[in-house]
Amino acid sequence: QVQLQESGPGLVKPSQTLSLTCAVSGGSISSGGYSWNWIRQAPGKELEWIGYIYYSGRTTYYNPSLKSRIIISMDTSKNRLSLKLSSVTAADTAVYNCASSPLLGDYSSYFDNWGQGTLVTVSS
Amino acid sequence: DIQMTQSPSTLSASVGDRVTITCRASQSISSWLAWYQQKPGKAPKLLIYKSSSLESGVPSRFSGSGSGTEFTLTISSLQPDDFATYYCQQYTSLWTFGQGTKVEIK
Repeated sequence: QVQLQESGPGLVKPSQTLSLTCAVSGGSISSGGYSWNWIRQAPGKELEWIGYIYYSGRTTYYNPSLKSRIIISMDTSKNRLSLKLSSVTAADTAVYNCASSPLLGDYSSYFDNWGQGTLVTVSS
Repeated sequence: DIQMTQSPSTLSASVGDRVTITCRASQSISSWLAWYQQKPGKAPKLLIYKSSSLESGVPSRFSGSGSGTEFTLTISSLQPDDFATYYCQQYTSLWTFGQGTKVEIK
């Protein structure tokens, strides 16, 4: 069973860049057939898909509403993925989860394994 | 974006009850729908994918049905471990979730 664990600063100042990592154990992030996703949930709001990176690391796909501020990358030597979200505001305060997804064609589908999530608060 | 609307938002039920949660899509998503269970402080857990396929290890009291724009998650006999929040998610066009249905003890 694949396990995922997010980590990163719990507090980020407005206008700065939020940086999170997701350590994956129990499987290789570069093995075929999967995408690796970031999903967040702001307090009292719905789950929001942020973006994903293909198992090969060569393809990323971002939520159009966040696209200009996101970079998702992966480090196969450390079996982990990363999220960078720039120019954060209070609206980016949320629990951030990483999750794996079996590919449906070239795209993510449902999310079969999730990390526990990490709360990031944007405040000065 | 495809909007997903769940009903009810909160459901009060007793152990042993049959529980049904509805999820409606703003446009047809064929059968590309998943259901998740989430408990406080825990990650969401996949229950159902492709509308009615049960994820490995999930008890058979959980079932899903529907296609197009209307879907249901049914718990045939509610157990104490089932009190949680449930979310639907479509994967036809981008990936969007419903707002959640909290199943609480009556």
